[in-house]
Amino acid sequence: AQRVTQPEKLLSVFKGAPVELKCNYSYSGSPELFWYVQYSRQRLQLLLRHISRESIKGFTADLNKGETSFHLKKPFAQEEDSAMYYCALSGRILTGGGNKLTFGTGTQLKVEL
Amino acid sequence: DGGITQSPKYLFRKEGQNVTLSCEQNLNHDAMYWYRQDPGQGLRLIYYSQIVNDFQKGDIAEGYSVSREKKESFPLTVTSAQKNPTAFYLCASSVTGARYGYTFGSGTRLTVV
Repeated sequence: AQRVTQPEKLLSVFKGAPVELKCNYSYSGSPELFWYVQYSRQRLQLLLRHISRESIKGFTADLNKGETSFHLKKPFAQEEDSAMYYCALSGRILTGGGNKLTFGTGTQLKVEL
Repeated sequence: DGGITQSPKYLFRKEGQNVTLSCEQNLNHDAMYWYRQDPGQGLRLIYYSQIVNDFQKGDIAEGYSVSREKKESFPLTVTSAQKNPTAFYLCASSVTGARYGYTFGSGTRLTVV
């Protein structure tokens, strides 16, 4: 079974402070991890994928297989970063190939002035 | 303008009625998904379809039904058997598999009155 855990429902930081949104996963195979973001009144959208090793809007995330974690980090929080963040894991569907995403419960990030 | 469209945005249902939520995409994606989003529970997979005329149950399929007669369309019916249907429903699509990420619709908020 695949599972994603986001231990914090709400994370509140001051503008300019570092941000770390925690994500741990459970999966027996080789996972693909993602972070999705939902800004107020907007659609859920892909923020970044671990396979791309990219930095989007100053956010980075490193897959740590030893600790089964994929924490999202940003060195200096901005007010526009306030949003709901979901960690997601892609695992193979047992029949017919393909993948499906399992999401964590989400962390609401609030950046205060 | 490519994308994924969900309708209606808001839907009210009386107890005992079936309702159908629409999801249409013009992205030429093979795979489509329905998720339910509840506060504190993240996104939970209801049904998914990897190809036309084929679909599989997700984690919480009881009380729901779907069809995939066309590549572009993946309607979700919430039946009277669904015990707690009031929720926010999200449709998504992807190129086969999830590794390139999902594109999400803007959602339908269903309220049972």
